[in-house]
Amino acid sequence: KNEVEQSPQNLTAQEGEFITINCSYSVGISALHWLQQHPGGGIVSLFMLSSGKKKHGRLIATINIQEKHSSLHITASHPRDSAVYICAVMANDMRFGAGTRLTVKP
Amino acid sequence: GAVVSQHPSWVICKSGTSVKIECRSLDFQATTMFWYRQFPKQSLMLMATSNEGSKATYEQGVEKDKFLINHASLTLSTLTVTSAHPEDSSFYICSATQGAGANVLTFGAGSRLTVL
Repeated sequence: KNEVEQSPQNLTAQEGEFITINCSYSVGISALHWLQQHPGGGIVSLFMLSSGKKKHGRLIATINIQEKHSSLHITASHPRDSAVYICAVMANDMRFGAGTRLTVKP
Repeated sequence: GAVVSQHPSWVICKSGTSVKIECRSLDFQATTMFWYRQFPKQSLMLMATSNEGSKATYEQGVEKDKFLINHASLTLSTLTVTSAHPEDSSFYICSATQGAGANVLTFGAGSRLTVL
C-alpha cells in the first residue's frame, strides 16, 4: 500500500465548479505540500501545511493531523487550473502521492 | 520570489556518455536541494537530498555511483548521470529550500534527458 494515497486520480469539471482533491497518508509527518504540475512539467509549490488551514486566492488547503488527511479545494474553477496536483509529505524523507489530473472545461 | 534555475531543460545524448544537470538558486541560499525523477504519467520520485558541503543522502534503490550529486555551494547543486543508458531517459527535477526542513520548496523547471 502506498504511504500517500490521493483521490481521485482523474477529475473533469466544468468551469466554475468547486473542486476537492484528497490526500491520505499513513506515516507521521512534519509537513505536507500540495504541488501543481502543468503540462510542460513545471512544478509550483502551492501550500506547505503542518496544521489547520491555508488560503491563497481561490485555493484552500486543510490538514487534519489526527486523521492523517489533507484536502485541496479550488473554488470557482477555471480552465487554467487544469494541471496535475500532487500531495507530498515530509517524514524521514519526502513521499509523493500519484497525483490527480484535473481538467476544467470551459 | 524565490527562483530556481535548472539547466539544461532538455538534452539528448548517446549511450555511454555522462550528462550533467545544474540546479541554481538565483536569489536565495539553498541549504538543502532535492533531486527527483519522473517517468511519463507518473508522480515524482525523490532520488536524493543534498545539503551544502556534505554528501548527498540517496533514497533506497538509487545508485549513488550512477547519479552523482554535488552541492558545493549554497546556490548550486549538480546531478551527473554517468554512463547514461536508454533506461536513464527521464524527466529530472530539482527543488531547493532555504530553511531548516522543507518549509518553502521552490522547483526548477526540470530537465528532460533522452539517451539514444
